[in-house]
Amino acid sequence: EAGVTQFPSHSVIEKGQTVTLRCDPISGHDNLYWYRRVMGKEIKFLLHFVKESKQDESGMPNNRFLAERTGGTYSTLKVQPAELEDSGVYFCASSQQLSYEQYFGPGTRLTVT
Amino acid sequence: QQQVKQSPQSLIVQKGGISIINCAYENTAFDYFPWYQQFPGKGPALLIAIRPDVSEKKEGRFTISFNKSAKQFSLHIMDSQPGDSATYFCAALWGNLIFGKGTKLSVKP
Repeated sequence: EAGVTQFPSHSVIEKGQTVTLRCDPISGHDNLYWYRRVMGKEIKFLLHFVKESKQDESGMPNNRFLAERTGGTYSTLKVQPAELEDSGVYFCASSQQLSYEQYFGPGTRLTVT
Repeated sequence: QQQVKQSPQSLIVQKGGISIINCAYENTAFDYFPWYQQFPGKGPALLIAIRPDVSEKKEGRFTISFNKSAKQFSLHIMDSQPGDSATYFCAALWGNLIFGKGTKLSVKP
């Protein structure tokens, strides 16, 4: 069974540019989560999809971040315009319906210069 | 309080020794406590998890001890091996995962 995949693995962009991160969850997992780890800090929750619906987006830092999950399969996280403080590693995780077990992807390392 | 406090920040253990990582929480509504293991360049991998109605869970060399009254839980790695060298995160779940800051474990041969 394929795990959670994320693309790209690394992205370096300039302040003010736009970046889109993609996450493909484990097939059949209804729950999809986005997390972020800023250098030296803990991994922090951003938002949670159940199928195509946003269940909880309380962790989204501001309106420069837009997450979508059209069709309830893969998800994208767009940052527009990017700021220096957006640098970090963005993780996606997925889980089955009614399961607590979340499986993480390898992450996308975003560097904003 | 939505924090999970993890200690130590780093840990060096000799091969064959016991590694112990501790976490504490405040929110009694948390109902699931997983530990994740992360190797460089990889995502966190679920290692072992416990529910608050259980005081201990063991899987191979890995054991979680859970003290509900003290609101603390810990990971014990018995017979630590160099391959266990990684960053370990504790977490607590209430809707979404709240993570500790991580412990970098180095097991010396």
